[in-house]
Amino acid sequence: EPEVTQTPSHQVTQMGQEVILRCVPISNHLYFYWYRQILGQKVEFLVSFYNNEISEKSEIFDDQFSVERPDGSNFTLKIRSTKLEDSAMYFCASGTGDMLGGEQYFGPGTRLTVT
Amino acid sequence: RKEVEQDPGPFNVPEGATVAFNCTYSNSASQSFFWYRQDCRKEPKLLMSVYSSGNEDGRFTAQLNRASQYISLLIRDSKLSDSATYLCVVFSNDYKLSFGAGTTVTVRA
Repeated sequence: EPEVTQTPSHQVTQMGQEVILRCVPISNHLYFYWYRQILGQKVEFLVSFYNNEISEKSEIFDDQFSVERPDGSNFTLKIRSTKLEDSAMYFCASGTGDMLGGEQYFGPGTRLTVT
Repeated sequence: RKEVEQDPGPFNVPEGATVAFNCTYSNSASQSFFWYRQDCRKEPKLLMSVYSSGNEDGRFTAQLNRASQYISLLIRDSKLSDSATYLCVVFSNDYKLSFGAGTTVTVRA
């Protein structure tokens, strides 16, 4: 069964450093998403991406964040200058439809720790 | 008021029991509704979409009540493997996807 993969599984970085989180969505999916979940809290939507551009983003997704699909398989989330409060689990997801009706398949997540 | 509210539980039930819980949402214009399950420190996995007429998938039944703005999930004949956190997810017409904080279910032998 195809699955979403994410690397690395755990990233430790110092405050102010840039990090890039990588995801390989399921190959025939057209919609891609990033979410984060701070430990003990709910899952929060960050951004959705379709047709090589951002389709929606939340208020969390400020200028420090960017997404890219550099090639036909990878989907990346970059945080330009990490803050302590960026420490969280970051999930990538992909789906065949938009958020309105499509099922979303989540990757196993990258745990980001900012020290 | 939170956009999506869930009873955090935990619901602690014996194997074979029926357990049900609700989720309420604040935006009356919400359009799509889903239940996901999340095991400890794992990714959310789609359990079922919730249709306006209610729908059933094996031991799981989801209901939607638009007038009262709540969604319910019922699990029949609980299995140990049903132990998880169940996330209510609502998509609104402003293209916002909101997750509830989850309801924890523990099924004991």
